[in-house]
Amino acid sequence: AQSVTQLGSHVSVSEGALVLLRCNYSSSVPPYLFWYVQYPNQGLQLLLKYTSAATLVKGINGFEAEFKKSETSFHLTKPSAHMSDAAEYFCAVTFTGGGNKLTFGTGTQLKVEL
Amino acid sequence: DADVTQTPRNRITKTGKRIMLECSQTKGHDRMYWYRQDPGLGLRLIYYSFDVKDINKGEISDGYSVSRQAQAKFSLSLESAIPNQTALYFCATSDPRQGPDTQYFGPGTRLTVL
Repeated sequence: AQSVTQLGSHVSVSEGALVLLRCNYSSSVPPYLFWYVQYPNQGLQLLLKYTSAATLVKGINGFEAEFKKSETSFHLTKPSAHMSDAAEYFCAVTFTGGGNKLTFGTGTQLKVEL
Repeated sequence: DADVTQTPRNRITKTGKRIMLECSQTKGHDRMYWYRQDPGLGLRLIYYSFDVKDINKGEISDGYSVSRQAQAKFSLSLESAIPNQTALYFCATSDPRQGPDTQYFGPGTRLTVL
């Protein structure tokens, strides 16, 4: 069975500081990994996805994530946080033949402070 | 106009009532999904449909039913609502030809069962 674990349900950073949101996955077959963002009162929007091509994936709004098989991780980073990055972030996993049934993590609420 | 729409956006109902949540999409995708979101639990899959004649249960289908009226429409029903079905409900679509495909989410329906 596949699963993802997001460490830290709440993360707070200062504006301009590095953003690091952690995601570890468990999958018995090669996974496909996603990061979604949810702004207040909105649906989820894709930030980026790993599909077994490049291990460093760049997404929208300056975010990127690196797939590390040895660490079973897919952490999300952004060099410099902006107030507009405040949102909830979800990591999700599926795999080939999984029928695109995504398994979501429990989410990390990012707060950006002045 | 939004590609994935959900109606209603907010609904308050009483225990025992039958409720239908509707989802429409203009993306031309064959696959549609219903999720519920609860604080601290992330998103959990209720039902999914890969085409009009293919409907499948997700991990938490008890107490719910669905109807795929057309490629563009996928409805979720609560036959007899109970308070622990109070949650944020999301519809999503995907296109396997974009595989590993991305899911596109509607804005959500906030349901409160009193």
